[in-house]
Amino acid sequence: GAGVSQTPSNKVTEKGKYVELRCDPISGHTALYWYRQSLGQGPEFLIYFQGTGAADDSGLPNDRFFAVRPEGSVSTLKIQRTERGDSAVYLCASSKGQGAYEQYFGPGTRLTVT
Amino acid sequence: GDSVTQMEGPVTLSEEAFLTINCTYTATGYPSLFWYVQYPGEGLQLLLKATKADDKGSNKGFEATYRKETTSFHLEKGSVQVSDSAVYFCALSPRGGYQKVTFGTGTKLQVIP
Repeated sequence: GAGVSQTPSNKVTEKGKYVELRCDPISGHTALYWYRQSLGQGPEFLIYFQGTGAADDSGLPNDRFFAVRPEGSVSTLKIQRTERGDSAVYLCASSKGQGAYEQYFGPGTRLTVT
Repeated sequence: GDSVTQMEGPVTLSEEAFLTINCTYTATGYPSLFWYVQYPGEGLQLLLKATKADDKGSNKGFEATYRKETTSFHLEKGSVQVSDSAVYFCALSPRGGYQKVTFGTGTKLQVIP
């Protein structure tokens, strides 16, 4: 079946602009995660959804970052007033549910802020 | 907070050589431990996992043993192939779940024929 998909694959934006990154999880997966991977680093947890609600948003770096999952499927990560330091690969993962289920990762969106 | 430390790369080996990638962790309680792999141009994939002390995870010829006493989870393979060239990430999550995975910085492995 289809895996986790993310759009766009690449996004270049100017400093100060607003961006939205989309994640389509595997069908039927109720848990969804966002991570950020900076160059030469491992992925860093941002936020975890169980269904429509954010169960853990402790990894969001500041209030410019926000994520939604209104219908419990597709999720959008929103970044306001982008800064050059936001440049990274943003990864989305999904799993069957809360608990010891494997996370399946998407290919990521590479965000470049100029 | 939780953290994972793994050996820096890149690691370059000849085909059929023995591989070890060291990984140590800091965490409260008894986390679950993982190795993820990222092949060139592909997304992260779970390679193997162990959920309690002395468990051995294994997959595709790779093995790692959960060592509580040394807080380690070293990745090994007896004979690497060119197709094993990838970036390998050691990771952990709180006991009982996969949520909020904490990753190491990754080790790039290059296997030459």
